[in-house]
Amino acid sequence: QSVLTQPPSVSAAPGQKVTISCSGSSSNIGNNYVAWYQQLPGTAPKLLIYENSKRPSGIPDRFSGSKSGTSATLGITGLQTGDEADYYCGTWESSLSAGVVFGGGTKLTVL
Amino acid sequence: EVQLLESGGGLVQPGGSLRLSCTVSGFTFNNYAMTWVRQGPGKGLEWVSTISGGGDNTYHADSVKGRFTISRDNSKNTLYLQMTSLRVDDTAVYYCAKSRGYSGYEDPRFDYWGQGTLVTVSS
Repeated sequence: QSVLTQPPSVSAAPGQKVTISCSGSSSNIGNNYVAWYQQLPGTAPKLLIYENSKRPSGIPDRFSGSKSGTSATLGITGLQTGDEADYYCGTWESSLSAGVVFGGGTKLTVL
Repeated sequence: EVQLLESGGGLVQPGGSLRLSCTVSGFTFNNYAMTWVRQGPGKGLEWVSTISGGGDNTYHADSVKGRFTISRDNSKNTLYLQMTSLRVDDTAVYYCAKSRGYSGYEDPRFDYWGQGTLVTVSS
């Protein structure tokens, strides 16, 4: 059971847009920055978004992030078959069990 | 080019110990916090431990506290994870990751990752 809640799967057609939600609480998302990671099959995770909405160099602007209250959202536009991957949100948990927490992951299928 | 290379994984019996290493290149190692993240078979990501750039502050997940110790040797550009009292549920691919900041505290930003090393705990 992950501290952050993500839908297990989402799907959309090539060229379309998809959003992935990440729900938490005031002790994590509500008071800390959110990051998003992409994990292609058989590879290590890759940082897509940090500080809620910033993109590292080399990440296309098709990927976007936002945060509102205790939830965050990853958006991907112009879907490509190469975007099929698992996506994870992550943030800091400020409770007694302090540390980085991740969502359970969302499998994106590009139909 | 930033590179992180983990080593030290393998098969170990329950209750045993193992030390993982992560050798890095391509950036000034002591300027950045470093982290271990693991992924059990078919499971999601789980944060394990973080150490600040100078090595003076460490943070561990409750699931490994008292059993695992993160450390670093900045003279060797190497990160370590000493794992003791290993359990079956510690079986996972262990990734080392570079943080974007120095302290690692309240920081979920891991901008470079190694390829991972598999630890299997089984009798």
